[in-house]
Amino acid sequence: ETGVTQSPTHLIKTRGQQVTLRCSSQSGHNTVSWYQQALGQGPQFIFQYYREEENGRGNFPPRFSGLQFPNYSSELNVNALELDDSALYLCASSLEADNEQFFGPGTRLTVL
Amino acid sequence: SQQGEEDPQALSIQEGENATMNCSYKTSINNLQWYRQNSGRGLVHLILIRSNEREKHSGRLRVTLDTSKKSSSLLITASRAADTASYFCATDKGAAGNKLTFGGGTRVLVKP
Repeated sequence: ETGVTQSPTHLIKTRGQQVTLRCSSQSGHNTVSWYQQALGQGPQFIFQYYREEENGRGNFPPRFSGLQFPNYSSELNVNALELDDSALYLCASSLEADNEQFFGPGTRLTVL
Repeated sequence: SQQGEEDPQALSIQEGENATMNCSYKTSINNLQWYRQNSGRGLVHLILIRSNEREKHSGRLRVTLDTSKKSSSLLITASRAADTASYFCATDKGAAGNKLTFGGGTRVLVKP
């Protein structure tokens, strides 16, 4: 157990809807990163938040957005869902922006 | 896009045998890490090797890094059925916003 939790575990949405995924960081960690993992592939970096500010972004469209709260928990929001958004979404927290990342169990999103 | 490529994509061995998998990457790195993932769930950190290190051990794991060839290998000795999982290498460049770039993974099946 890494101490990083994510909710919900599974989620089913339809195309065009919006979704919010949540992540609770390990105690004391001020950095959270989000990754998308399509079936059979490695995770791909979406973005990172450090002390409530976005601190790097991968090759994802603006409909993927995030927030980090003062308690360092985080949300990933995806608007206008597409079928290809179906994936496992992983968050990872770290003590600082350049430290080892500890992953949560993930949220499995299915878009129909 | 993915930085690392694992080889082989899949590996099937008997319990007690050694499992070796390789990772190649394209650009210069700061650290290379190996992760394990069971049944599409969260990633478990196995070992981190820095760019100025050549070999590292942790229990039954041995990792090598050859920066001149931009490659790394993970050896699991005396494999167990519980080692059945997907294994991913991930690199970072050490810049602010410690983005991890993952390979596609090696799926290992250890038969009892």
